[in-house]
Amino acid sequence: GAGVSQSPRYKVAKRGQDVALRCDPISGHVSLFWYQQALGQGPEFLTYFQNEAQLDKSGLPSDRFFAERPEGSVSTLKIQRTQQEDSAVYLCASSFGDTNTEAFFGQGTRLTVV
Amino acid sequence: ILNVEQSPQSLHVQEGDSTNFTCSFPSSNFYALHWYRWETAKSPEALFVMTLNGDEKKKGRISATLNTKEGYSYLYIKGSQPEDSATYLCASVNNAGNMLTFGGGTRLMVKP
Repeated sequence: GAGVSQSPRYKVAKRGQDVALRCDPISGHVSLFWYQQALGQGPEFLTYFQNEAQLDKSGLPSDRFFAERPEGSVSTLKIQRTQQEDSAVYLCASSFGDTNTEAFFGQGTRLTVV
Repeated sequence: ILNVEQSPQSLHVQEGDSTNFTCSFPSSNFYALHWYRWETAKSPEALFVMTLNGDEKKKGRISATLNTKEGYSYLYIKGSQPEDSATYLCASVNNAGNMLTFGGGTRLMVKP
């Protein structure tokens, strides 16, 4: 498709389970971002890739969170041993160039940890 | 201002009213300011990306201004329509340039 695609759209995980969230950016987009959005708040930065290089992972809340983009296109955000506080919408965005160009967002994955 | 702040948090207006909301951001090391519109169950969609002090941008009934020296941007909607109901997010980028730092959003509800 023409837009950013995220899967799954919804995920319910039992506490302690590992999850993997996928992002298919727009073809040719160099930059890829992951954001976490808790209920009632704005999106919070998690990590940033330029092609396959993870240039900034300062927003990842703990070492249970891991992201990769091995071939510079599809990215996976993995959360190990999920906790209830991980429940949020995880947004992926891509852009062609720098952060002075608009970012295109996916619809997000809503993760609920029970 | 260390964070990006938006006000008000929510706003109810009547169809036909004009409205505006504010985004405040750190003025030091400023690089760019983004506005996004996020409708329920859809993806956030870019409205404007602004970089220059004094910039004014317009898209239909929506316009935005930017003051980088004092660290604020206004978003204006003229003659609000029910389809304008959404959350409006602003995001600031500093000159490290790696990430968009978002405000909490302004949730707009337009009553017919």
